[in-house]
Amino acid sequence: EAGVAQSPRYKIIEKRQSVAFWCNPISGHATLYWYQQILGQGPKLLIQFQNNGVVDDSQLPKDRFSAERLKGVDSTLKIQPAKLEDSAVYLCASSLTGNSYNSPLHFGNGTRLTVT
Amino acid sequence: QKEVEQNSGPLSVPEGAIASLNCTYSDRGSQSFFWYRQYSGKSPELIMSIYSNGDKEDGRFTAQLNKASQYVSLLIRDSQPSDSATYLCAVNRRTGNQFYFGTGTSLTVIP
Repeated sequence: EAGVAQSPRYKIIEKRQSVAFWCNPISGHATLYWYQQILGQGPKLLIQFQNNGVVDDSQLPKDRFSAERLKGVDSTLKIQPAKLEDSAVYLCASSLTGNSYNSPLHFGNGTRLTVT
Repeated sequence: QKEVEQNSGPLSVPEGAIASLNCTYSDRGSQSFFWYRQYSGKSPELIMSIYSNGDKEDGRFTAQLNKASQYVSLLIRDSQPSDSATYLCAVNRRTGNQFYFGTGTSLTVIP
């Protein structure tokens, strides 16, 4: 079974620039999550999709962050404009089904973003 | 109050000892509990899941759940240097299939 695919692995941008991350979940996984992990902290949920609908985006800074999951498969997360405090690892994860509370999260390798 | 709290560490144990990692959660409706291991510069990987009160063993790892006390723990027996990592506790809430993570406990196993 192929894992969660993410790209790019690393990105360095200057503040006020824009950046986009891409994620392809495990085949058949209906629920897709984007997490932000700042060094030394646990992952923080940014947005959760069930198929192509948003379940939770309460912690997404909507003035600068946006995400979409067209066709209920792969997803993109965009930051525009970036701030220094956005430097973090952005993790995409998926789980088998939104109705099964026992399905664990499976993570991609993450994208390490550095904003200078 | 944070959704999930872990003992901050760092935790150091000698090789061959038992490492004990603890986690508490605030939502009594939480149903599923997971332990993830995260090596430096890597993404979290699932090592244990537990859904019912009691103990669950998998090799050198034992997860313990006490829903009345809202407490989850992970024991690592015969700790090895390769176990040195940050361990994240994750809790799945009943509604919305949302996962909340603790800040992680850094474990170092000293050869």
